[in-house]
Amino acid sequence: ETGVTQTPRHLVMGMTNKKSLKCEQHLGHNAMYWYKQSAKKPLELMFVYNFKEQTENNSVPSRFSPECPNSSHLFLHLHTLQPEDSALYLCASSLAVAPQGAPGNTIYFGEGSWLTVV
Amino acid sequence: TQLLEQSPQFLSIQEGENLTVYCNSSSVFSSLQWYRQEPGEGPVLLVTVVTGGEVKKLKRLTFQFGDARKDSSLHITAAQPGDTGLYLCAGATGANNLFFGTGTRLTVIP
Repeated sequence: ETGVTQTPRHLVMGMTNKKSLKCEQHLGHNAMYWYKQSAKKPLELMFVYNFKEQTENNSVPSRFSPECPNSSHLFLHLHTLQPEDSALYLCASSLAVAPQGAPGNTIYFGEGSWLTVV
Repeated sequence: TQLLEQSPQFLSIQEGENLTVYCNSSSVFSSLQWYRQEPGEGPVLLVTVVTGGEVKKLKRLTFQFGDARKDSSLHITAAQPGDTGLYLCAGATGANNLFFGTGTRLTVIP
């Protein structure tokens, strides 16, 4: 239990469906992240939020739409995805957006949502 | 994008053996982290190293940051089945960028 909870753990969706992934953190952190983890590729940062404001969008296609209503909750809305979008989507949080990777600003990951697009 | 290459990509060893995993890059990092990700879980931070040449020990795990801060290694002594998982290195550059390595998948056979 890392303090970051993701739902659903598994999701199968068709290319025309609309679904959402949810993330909640109970750590009092101000920064939240979405990462994509697919086979044979390094973990990819998708979005960064700081105090509910998006601070980074790493050229993610618009079929992925993040939402951060408050600093404890983060959503990833999915619409008209492609089969190559099938992956493990990881939510994470840290005390602050920067400095990433520094002692005292540990990133805590959720267990992930396995997404399969058919 | 900074590329961190990890080797080997896959490693399968018997319980009790020793092993070393490498993380290499041509970029200089202000700090480097190692994570372990067990099946069905997210990555969990093991250690952060910040000084070139630094060595940190965590029970049977020894982490070293290269003198030039471009590479790192993770050595496990007397591996146990509980060490099974995906090991990820991640390098930090500047204030706002953390780049993850390609990963090493370790299986320890009882």
